[in-house]
Amino acid sequence: DAGVTQSPTHLIKTRGQQVTLRCSPKSGHDTVSWYQQALGQGPQFIFQYYEEEERQRGNFPDRFSGHQFPNYSSELNVNALWLGDSALYLCASSLPGGRSDTQYFGPGTRLTVL
Amino acid sequence: GNSVTQMEGPVTLSEEAFLTINCTYTATGYPSLFWYVQYPGEGLQLLLKATKADDKGSNKGFEATYRKETTSFHLEKGSVQVSDSAVYFCALTLYSSASKIIFGSGTRLSIRP
Repeated sequence: DAGVTQSPTHLIKTRGQQVTLRCSPKSGHDTVSWYQQALGQGPQFIFQYYEEEERQRGNFPDRFSGHQFPNYSSELNVNALWLGDSALYLCASSLPGGRSDTQYFGPGTRLTVL
Repeated sequence: GNSVTQMEGPVTLSEEAFLTINCTYTATGYPSLFWYVQYPGEGLQLLLKATKADDKGSNKGFEATYRKETTSFHLEKGSVQVSDSAVYFCALTLYSSASKIIFGSGTRLSIRP
């Protein structure tokens, strides 16, 4: 049973560019959450997707947007990148409808903005 | 607001020493409490959880008890191993917030052989 997968593993961008990160949830899961983990910090909640809609959002600007596809996979898009967006981006999935409080995390995508 | 405060690191111990990592929380309502672990180069893994007051979560020799009266969820292990070296995160969720996880800042643990 494949766990949560994310791509790419690493990414380097320059300021002002746009980036798209991808996530496939664990088999049987339909809810996907995204987190940003800056170096030396705990992960911060960006948003959560369920039934292809954004269900909840953390304190992140509109430059951060997302999408969920019918197969439950998800994308995180960040526009107008700046240096402070450099971080590990984690995707997590959970059981249908968010009924479980346990989330399973992927290995993350390391984004470096130069 | 809702938040988690955990013991600052780094923490360095010798193999077979006793481990305690302190964690306290502030929450409206009745949170579920978690410890996650992040091994070098890997993603976050759930270590243990407790969903109500006085529950004890345990896994791999680690334990933590949900103490509502002191709003705490301290992580303990009786005898640490070198393989326990990792970053440990205390966290909470609230049912009302659709499983959004609120994490502490993490505690880096290093175990000397």
